[in-house]
Amino acid sequence: QVQVVESGGGVVQPGRSLRLSCTASGFTFNNFGMHWVRQAPGKGLEWVAVISYDGSNKYYADSVKGRFTISRENSKNTLYLQMNSLRPDDTAVYYCAKGRYGGFTDYCDYWGLGSLVTVSS
Amino acid sequence: EIVMTQSPATLSVSPGDRASLSCRASQSVYSNLAWYQQKPGQPPRLLIYGASTRATGIPVRFSGSGSGTEFTLTISSMQSEDFAVYYCQQYNTRPPLAFGGGTKVEI
Repeated sequence: QVQVVESGGGVVQPGRSLRLSCTASGFTFNNFGMHWVRQAPGKGLEWVAVISYDGSNKYYADSVKGRFTISRENSKNTLYLQMNSLRPDDTAVYYCAKGRYGGFTDYCDYWGLGSLVTVSS
Repeated sequence: EIVMTQSPATLSVSPGDRASLSCRASQSVYSNLAWYQQKPGQPPRLLIYGASTRATGIPVRFSGSGSGTEFTLTISSMQSEDFAVYYCQQYNTRPPLAFGGGTKVEI
């Protein structure tokens, strides 16, 4: 069955970096766009970034543009989110989600359990 | 950038009641709208896409309607497992792919 599993979360100081990974299985990874969505404690969902099936198109929320980078390694069925210059308001559970199609204008049909990132000194 | 607005923020209903949740887009998204359900401590689950198509395994008591800027998620008869937070999301335009702020459906 379709599965996406996030890893790499933890506690990090403001200004530092962290990289999240998402390992996919149960579907042909290189056919589908992939998203990162986050949720701050007690808050709603915030879309963060999307990458198309081949990595040629990437888009970001304004709140993370210039600080976060989404990438993928199709040979390893893995999605990444490189997070630099982290701020306390980046504290959230970060979800990896599979897009329904290969592009970047899409909804998410499968979600991981999430990885908690806490930015605190 | 499209802004999605959900109302009400909280909806109090009883088991067996019909629940109607609203989602409004700041400009037309045609039928490119999805609904998700999220229970505490769980990731979101896709309920509806294309404004009205149920995702795989979603019970028929969930239905979506609307197009353009006004959308509704209806739960025809609330079951205990349906008490959760519901989010809409537009996917019509180039990202950012905005979510609404959510509607919490409580007993």
